[in-house]
Amino acid sequence: GAVVSQHPSRVICKSGTSVKIECRSLDFQATTMFWYRQFPKKSLMLMATSNEGSKATYEQGVEKDKFLINHASLTLSTLTVTSAHPEDSSFYICSARWVATNEKLFFGSGTQLSVL
Amino acid sequence: AQKVTQAQTEISVVEKEDVTLDCVYETRDTTYYLFWYKQPPSGELVFLIRRNSFDEQNEISGRYSWNFQKSTSSFNFTITASQVVDSAVYFCALSEAGSGGYQKVTFGTGTKLQVIP
Repeated sequence: GAVVSQHPSRVICKSGTSVKIECRSLDFQATTMFWYRQFPKKSLMLMATSNEGSKATYEQGVEKDKFLINHASLTLSTLTVTSAHPEDSSFYICSARWVATNEKLFFGSGTQLSVL
Repeated sequence: AQKVTQAQTEISVVEKEDVTLDCVYETRDTTYYLFWYKQPPSGELVFLIRRNSFDEQNEISGRYSWNFQKSTSSFNFTITASQVVDSAVYFCALSEAGSGGYQKVTFGTGTKLQVIP
């Protein structure tokens, strides 16, 4: 079946540094990818919708300058957490929309970000 | 606005017992999609089912079954003869049906299922 690869699976960084998370659709083209954030024991919250070749659409309350999203190709979207702080520590998950499969969403394996 | 409520935060059952996970949703859309996802301890989300709002037929897949009741806005998930490998967090989700397919997905808060051997 379709696979979405998300990398890295875990990252620990110092406060003030930037971290890039990649989301790749391995065997299909994804014109739309979504980025979610999940706090411990909480649900997934949609952060933004990433559209290939255009600007991402951010949900209310999500800082676009802090969470930079780039969807430069049909198989790759990246989320960069800029100047990370401990409150940005969370589990980030991407998903990709594959229109050909009756529009299922396929999820990456997630990235656990810990900011010291 | 869309909302998905999973009132059961945690459930523990003994292996081989049946268990039902509840999901109640709210939406103003007449056409929408409902989902169930499984999140094992490793973190990835595993797709289980997608159901269209106009298809109320219940579905069975192996030990899994889903009961969609539009009248009560519920989409409950039952695992029959539970196994230890079923231990995970299960999310119910809802998406609006924009042109060309669904758009944003709203997740419930999840139900943590623990199956005790």
